[in-house]
Amino acid sequence: DIQMTQSPPSLSASVGDSVIITCRASHSISFYLNWYHQRPGRVPNLLIRAASTLQSGVPSRFTGGGSGTDFTLTINGLQPEDVGNYYCQQSYSIPTFGQGTRVEI
Amino acid sequence: QVLLQESGPGLVKPSETLSLICNVSGDSISSFYWSWIRQSPGQGLEWIGSVYHSGAAKYNPSLESRVTISVDTSRTSFSLKLRSVSPDDTGVYYCARDRPLGDFLVWGRGTWVTVSS
Repeated sequence: DIQMTQSPPSLSASVGDSVIITCRASHSISFYLNWYHQRPGRVPNLLIRAASTLQSGVPSRFTGGGSGTDFTLTINGLQPEDVGNYYCQQSYSIPTFGQGTRVEI
Repeated sequence: QVLLQESGPGLVKPSETLSLICNVSGDSISSFYWSWIRQSPGQGLEWIGSVYHSGAAKYNPSLESRVTISVDTSRTSFSLKLRSVSPDDTGVYYCARDRPLGDFLVWGRGTWVTVSS
């Protein structure tokens, strides 16, 4: 299996801040990396696919980058509705998810 | 608009089989792969496996010996069977539609399953 490691495990930031979450794969996965946001008690919501493609309807303050083994999710201008957990997921082989990053305000 | 809805018992006894169905509406099941994903309390997400409309399935190696995912002959639903469950299998079970690059855009609302005697 390809292991996905996210950092930090949690973070606290203020409204309007820029936030960066990183995801590292144990093997190269090219651009096969997706990001999800999950609010408490809700279904995961796809934000970014193929490392950097913003899913339709997702605010432009979300940006994905990286390739190979190192990826980032950047939130430019954190909003109250952005709280929750963020997960990366590789789709290069058998799908695996990162352990999540909890974002608080 | 494709909609997915999980159904099945919310309580399963240890050592028994967990059985869930995902009903698909608004789309043909004869396209893409269809997956089961679970989330244990306070934990992250774990892909269980997926099935193609042909019936071909692929599984998470950590669960493969206990899992069967299949497509209903009506082609409007697919199912999950997880055998020999333990309390570690407690959690929310989601069905989802895979897309060609392997991301999951459409999810069911999830169904909570407790494994307890």
